[in-house]
Amino acid sequence: AQKITQTQPGMFVQEKEAVTLDCTYDTSDQSYGLFWYKQPSSGEMIFLIYQGSYDEQNATEGRYSLNFQKARKSANLVISASQLGDSAMYFCAMSAGYSTLTFGKGTMLLVSP
Amino acid sequence: DTGVSQDPRHKITKRGQNVTFRCDPISEHNRLYWYRQTLGQGPEFLTYFQNEAQLEKSRLLSDRFSAERPKGSFSTLEIQRTEQGDSAMYLCASSSGQGGIYGYTFGSGTRLTVV
Repeated sequence: AQKITQTQPGMFVQEKEAVTLDCTYDTSDQSYGLFWYKQPSSGEMIFLIYQGSYDEQNATEGRYSLNFQKARKSANLVISASQLGDSAMYFCAMSAGYSTLTFGKGTMLLVSP
Repeated sequence: DTGVSQDPRHKITKRGQNVTFRCDPISEHNRLYWYRQTLGQGPEFLTYFQNEAQLEKSRLLSDRFSAERPKGSFSTLEIQRTEQGDSAMYLCASSSGQGGIYGYTFGSGTRLTVV
């Protein structure tokens, strides 16, 4: 079975600063994928970034980067230069083996001016 | 292709009534997933289809829930004899293969309120 743990219920950051959202995972599969999604108040789940378990380099997508530490089973999301529009729920998720996505409980990010 | 669409966006129903939701995936995606998300929680897997075959069902999918994807295109999720505990956001997603680097594309969800 897979498990995702997000220990930060809420995070505050000032506009233009960087913020790190924590995610740890647990799986016995050697092949897995890690995802981050953003969910604004409208409810849609917006795909942000993906990291495969065999990828040697950390994934980056614009202002988003994934700090992948395989030995520690962590996949933290780093958002650089936060914007007001970044305020939303953020979910870490994993797909391992032939399983479907397993989500964490999420972190609410609030960006202040 | 405009992505995954779900209908309706909101549904309010009385306890005991039946409701049906529809999901239209991205046309070239062969996998379709249903998730349920309650307030303050992450989405929880309900079931998924590969083409028209329903390959996996979660323990969360009680006998009152049924999902279909008759022609391997759109899917419906029906809840019979709704209960207040069914109030949640129902999310549909689609993917090509196992998702992987291309991710799973989610719809905007159907928010169900049972009164």
